[in-house]
Amino acid sequence: EIVLTQSPGTLSLSPGERATLSCRASQSVSSSYLAWYQQKPGQAPRLLIYGASSRATGIPDRFSGSGSGTDFTLTISRLEPEDFAVYYCQQYGSSAWTFGQGTKVEIK
Amino acid sequence: EVQLVQSGAEVKKPGESLKISCKGSGYSFTSYWIGWVRQMPGKGLEWMGIIYPGDSDTRYSPSFQGQVTISADKSISTAYLQWSSLKASDTAMYYCARRSGYDYYFDYWGQGTLVTVSS
Repeated sequence: EIVLTQSPGTLSLSPGERATLSCRASQSVSSSYLAWYQQKPGQAPRLLIYGASSRATGIPDRFSGSGSGTDFTLTISRLEPEDFAVYYCQQYGSSAWTFGQGTKVEIK
Repeated sequence: EVQLVQSGAEVKKPGESLKISCKGSGYSFTSYWIGWVRQMPGKGLEWMGIIYPGDSDTRYSPSFQGQVTISADKSISTAYLQWSSLKASDTAMYYCARRSGYDYYFDYWGQGTLVTVSS
């Protein structure tokens, strides 16, 4: 099973700042199989990025994804108040899906 | 509009059985895989398994194989997750989610079903 490790666990930032979230895989992951989700309290996860760098429908362009192999990054260029949430990376490999443990982006 | 609507919250005792549901609408239910994801209180997301309603082909995470059963009734566009004997450790929010076509991510999610197991 491919293990995804996200860092940092918590990111404390102010609105308007840039957020950089990391997702590292225990073995190489196809970029096509890497996605990012946002989850706010009391809500279901929402797809943000798929294929490592493609934004899902309706996702603002301040969200961007990059990376390949074992290292992937989600960047939020300028944090808006509604962006404070938990973010999960997810991969598919060896007939199984796995999620990272999440990064919480909180207001500083 | 694609929607996945899950059944309501459940409170059960250890040892009881349970079946929760996820009804799809706004798309061809038989043409997309439906996955189930567990979220224990205050924790992250865990993939449990996935089913293709068109032919009921089902795959399980090794962590959940034998612990739950995933099924679907394509005649009513509904997928199910069931337990034969609940444990307190099954207390969690359970989400169904649609796998996007031939890709490997989940593009639509249900609202979640909270299952509480307590004596």
